[in-house]
Amino acid sequence: EADIYQTPRYLVIGTGKKITLECSQTMGHDKMYWYQQDPGMELHLIHYSYGVNSTEKGDLSSESTVSRIRTEHFPLTLESARPSHTSQYLCASSGTYTDTQYFGPGTRLTVL
Amino acid sequence: AQSVAQPEDQVNVAEGNPLTVKCTYSVSGNPYLFWYVQYPNRGLQFLLKYITGDNLVKGSYGFEAEFNKSQTSFHLKKPSALVSDSALYFCAVRGNSGGYQKVTFGTGTKLQVIP
Repeated sequence: EADIYQTPRYLVIGTGKKITLECSQTMGHDKMYWYQQDPGMELHLIHYSYGVNSTEKGDLSSESTVSRIRTEHFPLTLESARPSHTSQYLCASSGTYTDTQYFGPGTRLTVL
Repeated sequence: AQSVAQPEDQVNVAEGNPLTVKCTYSVSGNPYLFWYVQYPNRGLQFLLKYITGDNLVKGSYGFEAEFNKSQTSFHLKKPSALVSDSALYFCAVRGNSGGYQKVTFGTGTKLQVIP
């Protein structure tokens, strides 16, 4: 079992709220990723990071932002949540010399 | 641009029968290929990968995959399906033509093993 954690696992909030989804890994991986996935559907890469102070937008445009101040921590923030943000958010990490990604359990977000 | 195709949205197989989940890819250079499995309400779990060497790759839970360069395929197989294998399976690829390249995931195939 990979050591990558996401909190909260489930979140229900109202429109307009600011939220931060937490992701931490204890494997010392330099690369980290955020994916958005509707239940049972394909993954969409929304953000990734090659290391500390490095962040890039992914293939799917997202209103969220990310930061990478520490190697182990890669939080995702939504400044003003909307119902269209309702989805599952998966965090993953991979090491320097491998592309095998290790995924967290996901955060299921519902915006009312 | 690299891409992955999983042509079947769903595969149904009877318990005890062999299963195949199909994947084809398009990439520059030699491919790195991966299979992941996702159980309900969980993140993805790594099953196996092909980097180089033997075309038949063995992975977790009795799964294996065969790399076929001429057909640009990397089908996932298991000799005898279990009901507990029912899940969503993702194929992924990245190229190896120099520089950093992201991993591209397929759209997923739902495997249903019928008791």
